[in-house]
Amino acid sequence: GAVVSQHPSWVICKSGTSVKIECRSLDFQATTMFWYRQFPKQSLMLMATSNEGSKATYEQGVEKDKFLINHASLTLSTLTVTSAHPEDSSFYICSGTRAEQYFGPGTRLTVT
Amino acid sequence: EDQVTQSPEALRLQEGESSSLNCSYTVSGLRGLFWYRQDPGKGPEFLFTLYSAGEEKEKERLKATLTKKESFLHITAPKPEDSATYLCAVQEWRVQGAQKLVFGQGTRLTINP
Repeated sequence: GAVVSQHPSWVICKSGTSVKIECRSLDFQATTMFWYRQFPKQSLMLMATSNEGSKATYEQGVEKDKFLINHASLTLSTLTVTSAHPEDSSFYICSGTRAEQYFGPGTRLTVT
Repeated sequence: EDQVTQSPEALRLQEGESSSLNCSYTVSGLRGLFWYRQDPGKGPEFLFTLYSAGEEKEKERLKATLTKKESFLHITAPKPEDSATYLCAVQEWRVQGAQKLVFGQGTRLTINP
């Protein structure tokens, strides 16, 4: 299979601050990466599609100014949650595409 | 709009008791149907991809099948370590643009020893 890592795995921040989450494909190059959000006992909801070297494509209802995505290289995409609020607390998961989508282990964000 | 519905929402089985999980889908042109396993607090783990009706794939105690309207994940003689949430997702054919996945709500499977 293909390995995707995320960092950090768990983060707590205060309301109004920004948090950056990294997603790396360790053993393959991912031209496209995806960012998902998952609330407790719910399924994955796609937030945005991240393409190397170009602007991300956001799903309807996702604030692009709040969730900044940068895909700087074929193995790294970052998601920055700006001015985080408690309602942004969630489990954020990224994936990279080779033949199939391979998912990272997720990042638990808690905003206090 | 692509839709994926999984049933049941939750399923409890005794160890060794075989059963099936269902994934019904609506998509204009199916590129692939995917099954993932997700353990609590972790990202989904890839299990299978099915591309055309009639296709079957197996891995240990799991077998996935596909028809034009639904997919089944059969679990034979399950063990407690098979307990997890099983997610189904579809991917639509697109001429251009990213190949997005649309996920179902998942089936929470619990295997009691």
